[in-house]
Amino acid sequence: AQSVTQLGSHVSVSEGALVLLRCNYSSSVPPYLFWYVQYPNQGLQLLLKYTSAATLVKGINGFEAEFKKSETSFHLTKPSAHMSDAAEYFCAVSAGGTSYGKLTFGQGTILTVHP
Amino acid sequence: NAGVTQTPKFRVLKTGQSMTLLCAQDMNHEYMYWYRQDPGMGLRLIHYSVGEGTTAKGEVPDGYNVSRLKKQNFLLGLESAAPSQTSVYFCASSDSTLAKNIQYFGAGTRLSVL
Repeated sequence: AQSVTQLGSHVSVSEGALVLLRCNYSSSVPPYLFWYVQYPNQGLQLLLKYTSAATLVKGINGFEAEFKKSETSFHLTKPSAHMSDAAEYFCAVSAGGTSYGKLTFGQGTILTVHP
Repeated sequence: NAGVTQTPKFRVLKTGQSMTLLCAQDMNHEYMYWYRQDPGMGLRLIHYSVGEGTTAKGEVPDGYNVSRLKKQNFLLGLESAAPSQTSVYFCASSDSTLAKNIQYFGAGTRLSVL
């Protein structure tokens, strides 16, 4: 079984400040990990994914995430927040084998960016 | 380049009514998924399909049925809607059995059951 926990349902930062969104996972097999972003009234789009290659993964819009097996974490960061980053962010995990690509999502974190 | 298209975008039902949500993808993907999104709960998998003519239950299948008669379409049915089914429904598709492959999402259907 696999699960995802996102710490903090709401995160608020000032424009230009560091963004840190936390994600911890549980998986009985080596996981594939994803961050998706959802802008208001839109579907989800992929920010980045970890698939057992480099542990530091770079995504779109300046976001990156680091896979830390010892901490079972996959936190999302961005050095300098922009107003356009305001959205809801979801961490998700997928197991290998016969999981048919099924994703288990975290609860989501709403990011607010203040001027 | 349409990707994943969901219809309708909004719908209001009365308790006990039925309806079908349509998902269409133009990427020739084998795998398709239906999720529901509720505040504070992320997305939960309702049903999924690994190919034309096949469907399987996800995490929260009760009260829903699905069909995949054509590869590009995945239908989600509510036979007798309940207020607990008020939610935002998302369809997604993926092109491989590999877990590392990306799911592509539609824009969602907002359903209210009164």
